[in-house]
Amino acid sequence: ETGVTQTPRHLVMGMTNKKSLKCEQHLGHNAMYWYKQSAKKPLELMFVYSLEERVENNSVPSRFSPECPNSSHLFLHLHTLQPEDSALYLCASSQATGGYEQYFGPGTRLTVT
Amino acid sequence: TQLLEQSPQFLSIQEGENLTVYCNSSSVFSSLQWYRQEPGEGPVLLVTVVTGGEVKKLKRLTFQFGDARKDSSLHITAAQPGDTGLYLCAGQTPYNNAGNMLTFGGGTRLMVKP
Repeated sequence: ETGVTQTPRHLVMGMTNKKSLKCEQHLGHNAMYWYKQSAKKPLELMFVYSLEERVENNSVPSRFSPECPNSSHLFLHLHTLQPEDSALYLCASSQATGGYEQYFGPGTRLTVT
Repeated sequence: TQLLEQSPQFLSIQEGENLTVYCNSSSVFSSLQWYRQEPGEGPVLLVTVVTGGEVKKLKRLTFQFGDARKDSSLHITAAQPGDTGLYLCAGQTPYNNAGNMLTFGGGTRLMVKP
């Protein structure tokens, strides 16, 4: 149990659908992250939120839209995705300052048909 | 762009054997973390090394950070089937007091056969 939960664990969506991924952390952290893990690439950082403000958008297409309403919750809104967006989407959290470790959730396995 | 290269990419060994996984970069990191990931799950943090030359032990796992903080190794003694998984190294750089940025290696997929 890492203290970071993600829902849903599995998602299948068509290219015209709109869906959202949810992440919640119970560790008292104030920075949250979205990563994409594909079969043939290293883990890729997508977005960073610190103190509820977005501080990094790693050249992610606009069909991915993050939202961080408070320091415990993080969403990733998805619309008009492509099949190549199929991947494991991981959420992580950490302290914004003074901390080294990031703690990951179990991920959402997304399949775009 | 900072890159971390892990080797080997795949490793299949018999129970009881020893192995070493390497993580190399041309960049300096403020710290380096090792994670293990099992299928269908997120990475789980094993250890963080911070000081150049630092060695940390976690039961049968020994982690070392290079003197120049550009590389690291993970050595497993007497591997067991429970060690099977994807091992990831990640180099950390601070980001303007707004979290820390992790650069991940490509991973080493380890299978330990009974």
